[in-house]
Amino acid sequence: NAGVTQTPKFQVLKTGQSMTLQCAQDMNHEYMSWYRQDPGMGLRLIHYSVGAGITDQGEVPNGYNVSRSTTEDFPLRLLSAAPSQTSVYFCASSPRTAVSNQPQHFGDGTRLSIL
Amino acid sequence: DAKTTQPNSMESNEEEPVHLPCNHSTISGTDYIHWYRQLPSQGPEYVIHGLTSNVNNRMASLAIAEDRKSSTLILHRATLRDAAVYYCILSGGSNYKLTFGKGTLLTVNP
Repeated sequence: NAGVTQTPKFQVLKTGQSMTLQCAQDMNHEYMSWYRQDPGMGLRLIHYSVGAGITDQGEVPNGYNVSRSTTEDFPLRLLSAAPSQTSVYFCASSPRTAVSNQPQHFGDGTRLSIL
Repeated sequence: DAKTTQPNSMESNEEEPVHLPCNHSTISGTDYIHWYRQLPSQGPEYVIHGLTSNVNNRMASLAIAEDRKSSTLILHRATLRDAAVYYCILSGGSNYKLTFGKGTLLTVNP
């Protein structure tokens, strides 16, 4: 199994550009989420989804959009990139929405730099 | 979210057991105790989780204090591949997220 696959692994953008970070899982998991990790800080939740067609905001949603048209895919969109969005982005999934009792599976991350 | 306290760093020798402590004095009755680790340049990796009883899996053991205010992750024989940041996280009820603190940086000496 591939698990959680994130693409691209690295990306450099200019301020104001847009892009989509891809996340796909092949485990038929209901729950998917996006985190960002900045130096000296823990992971912070951006958006999450409890199933196809259902998304909600996490702690730091501003500047990011998500959609969940299929169970497998959960893309994260930056509409107008800003230097403050330079970070490492992780996608995660878990089997059911009661995540308190579920292991979460993480991708290897997308390292994004915005100039 | 209830808070956890971990040492910033710990050191171990290869093939020796490692006990990583975590304090969570404000834990609620429905909070599960999760442990994840993050190797350099990788995403977090699930290690183990439990509620009240001690838990064992192929990676590690989780020892939970009787009052649940502390727990210990036990790596039975550390290898160089176990060098990582280890996060102790509480997650309960209908909580939809994991709150990662700064974790413990484990160094394993050959």
